[in-house]
Amino acid sequence: EVQLLESGGALVQPGGSLRLSCAASGFTFSSYAMAWVRQAPGKGLEWVSTITGVGDKTYYADSVKGRFTISRDNSKNTLFLQMNSLRAEDTAFYYCAIPTSAFDYWGQGTLVTVSS
Amino acid sequence: QSALTQPRSVSGSPGQSVTISCTGTDSDFGGRNFVSWYQQHPGKAPTLLIYDVRERSSGVPDRFSGSKSGNTASLTISGLQAEDEADYYCCSYAGRHYVFGSGTKVDVL
Repeated sequence: EVQLLESGGALVQPGGSLRLSCAASGFTFSSYAMAWVRQAPGKGLEWVSTITGVGDKTYYADSVKGRFTISRDNSKNTLFLQMNSLRAEDTAFYYCAIPTSAFDYWGQGTLVTVSS
Repeated sequence: QSALTQPRSVSGSPGQSVTISCTGTDSDFGGRNFVSWYQQHPGKAPTLLIYDVRERSSGVPDRFSGSKSGNTASLTISGLQAEDEADYYCCSYAGRHYVFGSGTKVDVL
C-alpha cells in the first residue's frame, strides 16, 4: 500500500525558513517523480514543485521559484522541500504527491503558517 | 500560471446528474489529453477521480465520467449521492507544470 507521510509544518515568522519532509513507502521510491502541492486554508490547490526520480531535474511554480528547493534522498525514501524567505501567502497545507499525468497518490498534508 | 476556470458551485438532488466545467487556454491544455479531476471532502486530502480526460482511477464508481472539447474539460456525476457532496478540482499537466482549476463545491440538496 502506497503511503506518504508529511512532517515539518510549523508556525514561522515572515522571512524565515522551514524544511518539510515526506516519508514514502509501499512503492519503489526512486522510480517515481515526486511533487509538492499546497492549499491555503479555504482556498484551492496549487502545484508547487516536481522532482524527477533520480533527482536530476526540478521544476517550480513561479510563485516559489528562487525561494523553495525540492530535493530527495532515495536511500531513505524521503522527499524534502526547503522553504526560504517565507511570506504570509505561503501559509497553506503542503501535500506530497506522486505525479504522472495526474497526482495518483497524496499524503495527508502538513500545515505551514507564516505569521508574526 | 493562472488557475483554470471552474464554476464556484453546482447543486443537484439525489439521483440527478451534475456537470462541472473546467476552462483554460491553449497553453493550459495545448491539445494534450492530460486532464485530471480530484474530489476533496472537508478536512481531507484530495483523491484522484479521473485521469487522462476520461480514465477512472481504481475504485472510482462509473457514476463519475470525464470529457473534453477544445479548451474545456468536464466532469459529470450521474446518479448523485449524498457522499458526493465535496469540492472538486480539475488539473491540466502542461509538460513541466501542472495547473489546477479554481474548484467547485457540489451541494446535494
